[in-house]
Amino acid sequence: NAGVTQTPKFRVLKTGQSMTLLCAQDMNHEYMYWYRQDPGMGLRLIHYSVGEGTTAKGEVPDGYNVSRLKKQNFLLGLESAAPSQTSVYFCATREYKSPNQPQHFGDGTRLSIL
Amino acid sequence: DQQVKQNSPSLSVQEGRISILNCDYTNSMFDYFLWYKKYPAEGPTFLISISSIKDKNEDGRFTVFLNKSAKHLSLHIVPSQPGDSAVYFCAASAVNSGYSTLTFGKGTMLLVSP
Repeated sequence: NAGVTQTPKFRVLKTGQSMTLLCAQDMNHEYMYWYRQDPGMGLRLIHYSVGEGTTAKGEVPDGYNVSRLKKQNFLLGLESAAPSQTSVYFCATREYKSPNQPQHFGDGTRLSIL
Repeated sequence: DQQVKQNSPSLSVQEGRISILNCDYTNSMFDYFLWYKKYPAEGPTFLISISSIKDKNEDGRFTVFLNKSAKHLSLHIVPSQPGDSAVYFCAASAVNSGYSTLTFGKGTMLLVSP
């Protein structure tokens, strides 16, 4: 998916460790989103941002923090990883111009917490 | 409570036939609906959308129908091709309420056999 890059692609953590997932976009989109996808659960919104310096909680924000210091980057942090946070994490972006613009997704980060 | 429901976890269709994927929603504030397609190890990609002021939108082999009174939408793929085999997510947004977020269903896995 050109334009939205997620780093890393895979990671294994131990319970209690911390890490940061990076989402970088080169499309100059205002809105950015973090989702998690679990088997049989679809995509659930963790946090999102409607512009540089702003963040908001989504459906499942507990255990995560985010920052949007630069327009092109949206960071998702796990301060103390738990096995329940084992998931595939997707970042998405959307243009501000029209509310009907679709979201564009990265290829995901697969995170396993032991 | 699930606001967007895709009650069929999977669907199998023969090549050349029609595929019909269904989606129901409960939130009457939703006024914009999208379908995303997802291949394994990739992020979801936007397929087609429809506004609540329409009841049909067509793009090549893909047509989305919206029945507002029944709070139901469906995606028709005609003719189905093996390359259409993927997971399809229905998503909804309350655009005119100023919300910037999407609510996703759990997805339907489509398998198109030759």
